[in-house]
Amino acid sequence: EMVLTQSPGTLSLSPGERATLFCRASQNVFSNYLAWYQQTPGHPPRLLIYGASNRASGIPDRFSGSGSGRDFILTINRLEPEDFAVYFCQQYGSALGLTFGGGTKVEIK
Amino acid sequence: QVQLVQSGPDVKKPGSSVKVSCRASGDMASTDGFGWVRQAPGQGLEWIGDIIPIFDIAKYATKFEGRVTITADKSTNTAYMDLASLTSDDTAMYYCARGLGYFGSGSHNYFDPWGQGTLVTVSS
Repeated sequence: EMVLTQSPGTLSLSPGERATLFCRASQNVFSNYLAWYQQTPGHPPRLLIYGASNRASGIPDRFSGSGSGRDFILTINRLEPEDFAVYFCQQYGSALGLTFGGGTKVEIK
Repeated sequence: QVQLVQSGPDVKKPGSSVKVSCRASGDMASTDGFGWVRQAPGQGLEWIGDIIPIFDIAKYATKFEGRVTITADKSTNTAYMDLASLTSDDTAMYYCARGLGYFGSGSHNYFDPWGQGTLVTVSS
């Protein structure tokens, strides 16, 4: 099973700042099949990015994804109040099954 | 726009089974799938399995093989997740989501949108 390690565990930032979240896979992610989700308390996850860098429908352009191979990054420019949430990465390239990272919480400083 | 509506919360005894439903409305493509993911209280996300109804093929996480059955009714655009031999460790929010991607030797799906979640509590 492919393990995804997200860092940092918690990111304390102020509105307007940039957030940089990392997701490292235990092996290369086939075809960069890596997605990012946002989850706020009491709500289901929401897809932000798929294929490492493609924004999902309706996602603001302050969210961007990058990376390849084992290392992937989610960047949130100019944090808005509604962006304070938990973010998960997910790989869907392994034939052994889908896996999620442990999550990064972006909290208000 | 696709919307997924799941069945209501459930309380089960250890050793029993639970069946959660997920009905889709809107513009599901014929090759779209349904995925099931759970989240224990205060924890992360855990993939359970997927199904692509048009092919009637399901893929399961190794951890749940033999204990979970995922089915779909194409006529009502509804998916079901049946989990047996429940223990307290199965207490979690269970989400269905539309699977976008494909099946190769394994599942290559990402998920959008998600249902509202179904809380399953296992308690004696």
